[in-house]
Amino acid sequence: DAGVIQSPRHEVTEMGQEVTLRCKPISGHNSLFWYRQTMMRGLELLIYFNNNVPIDDSGMPEDRFSAKMPNASFSTLKIQPSEPRDSAVYFCASRLTSGQETQYFGPGTRLLVL
Amino acid sequence: AQSVTQPDIHITVSEGASLELRCNYSYGATPYLFWYVQSPGQGLQLLLKYFSGDTLVQGIKGFEAEFKRSQSSFNLRKPSVHWSDAAEYFCAVVGNEKLTFGTGTRLTIIP
Repeated sequence: DAGVIQSPRHEVTEMGQEVTLRCKPISGHNSLFWYRQTMMRGLELLIYFNNNVPIDDSGMPEDRFSAKMPNASFSTLKIQPSEPRDSAVYFCASRLTSGQETQYFGPGTRLLVL
Repeated sequence: AQSVTQPDIHITVSEGASLELRCNYSYGATPYLFWYVQSPGQGLQLLLKYFSGDTLVQGIKGFEAEFKRSQSSFNLRKPSVHWSDAAEYFCAVVGNEKLTFGTGTRLTIIP
C-alpha cells in the first residue's frame, strides 16, 4: 500500500495568494483528517470527514480555510488568501472506518507564506 | 474533553541506555491510546496502540508501553536505545473520533 499521499511536499507562496494542499487517503479508508503542526500550538485537528462528508470543522481557524472531499480518494485544503501566520506543516491522515481508531499519517506539506 | 500531558519536553540518553517517556491522559471513558514517532521532516509513524486487554503492549522498533488506569498513564519504554531512535515522540488519546496529541517529547541520543 502506498500510504497516505500528500502534495506538494513543500510550498512557498506570498501573502495573499491562494494555496491548495492535496491528499489521497489509503485506499479503502473511509475517514480523512486534516491537521496543522506549529511550534506554538503543536498538532491541531482542523477538520475531518467520514464517507466524504465533513463531520467536524470546529478546528478550522477562520473563513480563509476551506476543505473538500469530492470523492473517497481525494481531498483538498485551501487557504485563500494566505497569511504568514498560516506557515506550518499540514498533515493529512486516514482511518479505515469509525470504530477503527488508528489514523495513518501522510508525510505532510510544509507551507511557508512570505 | 480529553487531554494528554507529556511532562518532558526534551530528554537526552546515551546510546544503549534504557528509555522511558511519560504520558498522562485525561478521558472519562476507557481510552484508546497511541504513541507516534516523528523523525525530522517526516510524518507521524504509529509505534503502538492500546485499545483494551493486556495492559502491556508491544510496538515496532522494540518499543513497548504500559497502560495504568490508576495513574492515568501510558508510558513508553525501550530497554536499549539506538542512535536512530532520535526523534520526537507524541502520545495521543482518541475521544469522540478525534485524536488529541500531547505536546511531544524530543529525544536526543548521545554516543
